[in-house]
Amino acid sequence: AQSVTQLDSHVSVSEGTPVLLRCNYSSSYSPSLFWYVQHPNKGLQLLLKYTSAATLVKGINGFEAEFKKSETSFHLTKPSAHMSDAAEYFCVVSAGGQGGKLIFGQGTELSVKP
Amino acid sequence: KAGVTQTPRYLIKTRGQQVTLSCSPISGHRSVSWYQQTPGQGLQFLFEYFSETQRNKGNFPGRFSGRQFSNSRSEMNVSTLELGDSALYLCASSLGHRDSGNTIYFGEGSWLTVV
Repeated sequence: AQSVTQLDSHVSVSEGTPVLLRCNYSSSYSPSLFWYVQHPNKGLQLLLKYTSAATLVKGINGFEAEFKKSETSFHLTKPSAHMSDAAEYFCVVSAGGQGGKLIFGQGTELSVKP
Repeated sequence: KAGVTQTPRYLIKTRGQQVTLSCSPISGHRSVSWYQQTPGQGLQFLFEYFSETQRNKGNFPGRFSGRQFSNSRSEMNVSTLELGDSALYLCASSLGHRDSGNTIYFGEGSWLTVV
């Protein structure tokens, strides 16, 4: 079975400093992994997607994530945080072979201080 | 092109009533999935429809049901509402390929409050 664990429920950074949101996954085969962001009272927006091509995946708004099979990790990073990055971030794995079924981590709330 | 559209955005219902939520997927997408989001349980998969057939189902009671029409639009219904059904219900659409590489797009959600 597939699962994801987000290692921090809350991360606080200062504007202009790097962001690191950590995610470990469990999968019985090569997974498809995603990061989604949810701003307050909004739906989910796809940041980036890994599907076994390049292990370093670039997404929108300067975010990127690196797939590390040996560590079963898929951490999300951004070199410099903006105030607008404050939101909830979800690491997600696809339940392989089951089309539209996604399995979500518990989320990491990112706060950005001025 | 238009994104995933959900209606209504907000609604308040009384315990014991039923509710129907609607979702229009992105044009050309044949898969529609539904998720429930609550503070305690996070985001949980309800079910997926593809070409008018339920393809996957999560671990929710039979009070939760859905359907998909020939134009790929979907509705979900919750009968005999309970206080614990208060949640944000998110609809998502994709092309619907069985492999796990689908890009899945979400709507803004329908906020349901049960009083």
